[in-house]
Amino acid sequence: AQSVTQPDIHITVSEGASLELRCNYSYGATPYLFWYVQSPGQGLQLLLKYFSGDTLVQGIKGFEAEFKRSQSSFNLRKPSVHWSDAAEYFCAVVGGAQKLVFGQGTRLTINP
Amino acid sequence: EAQVTQNPRYLITVTGKKLTVTCSQNMNHEYMSWYRQDPGLGLRQIYYSMNVEATDKGDVPEGYKVSRKEKRNFPLILESPSPNQTSLYFCASSLTSGGYNEQFFGPGTRLTVL
Repeated sequence: AQSVTQPDIHITVSEGASLELRCNYSYGATPYLFWYVQSPGQGLQLLLKYFSGDTLVQGIKGFEAEFKRSQSSFNLRKPSVHWSDAAEYFCAVVGGAQKLVFGQGTRLTINP
Repeated sequence: EAQVTQNPRYLITVTGKKLTVTCSQNMNHEYMSWYRQDPGLGLRQIYYSMNVEATDKGDVPEGYKVSRKEKRNFPLILESPSPNQTSLYFCASSLTSGGYNEQFFGPGTRLTVL
């Protein structure tokens, strides 16, 4: 069965520092991969997605992610974080029956 | 404005008292889904609907019911809520059921069952 692992439950970075959130997936075929962000008290918003083609995908709010098939990873990056990036981030893969399977989430805290 | 709305946003109830959480989308989407979010578990799918009168179980359907009589509405029904259903619930919709479609999420309903 498809699965997604986000190894880091909670990450703290300083404002202006770079960020990388890890995501590993398990899926036999070429996956559809997503990153969603959940701001406090809000629903989930799509940051970016990968279906095929260029393995480096650009998203909203200055985020990017790189698909590495050899490592079964789809890590999310941002060169310089802002205080407004504090949120919970979810990686997801589309599995059987076209269903989204989510990782456990990574909570991001920004130090001023 | 294109959106998914849920009501209520917050609900505290007691064990066994039937409740309904409404979900409505104004984007003419065919696919709708309910998730619950619990700490350390991410989001898990409860039920989904491919279109009107077409619903199916997700990963954690026990204790829940849904209906899809109109395209825009997809209510979640808890016939006899129990404390283990205390959670944050999200409704989502997408244009069709294809996995490549972006899912749009409602703001969430925080349910506490005492």
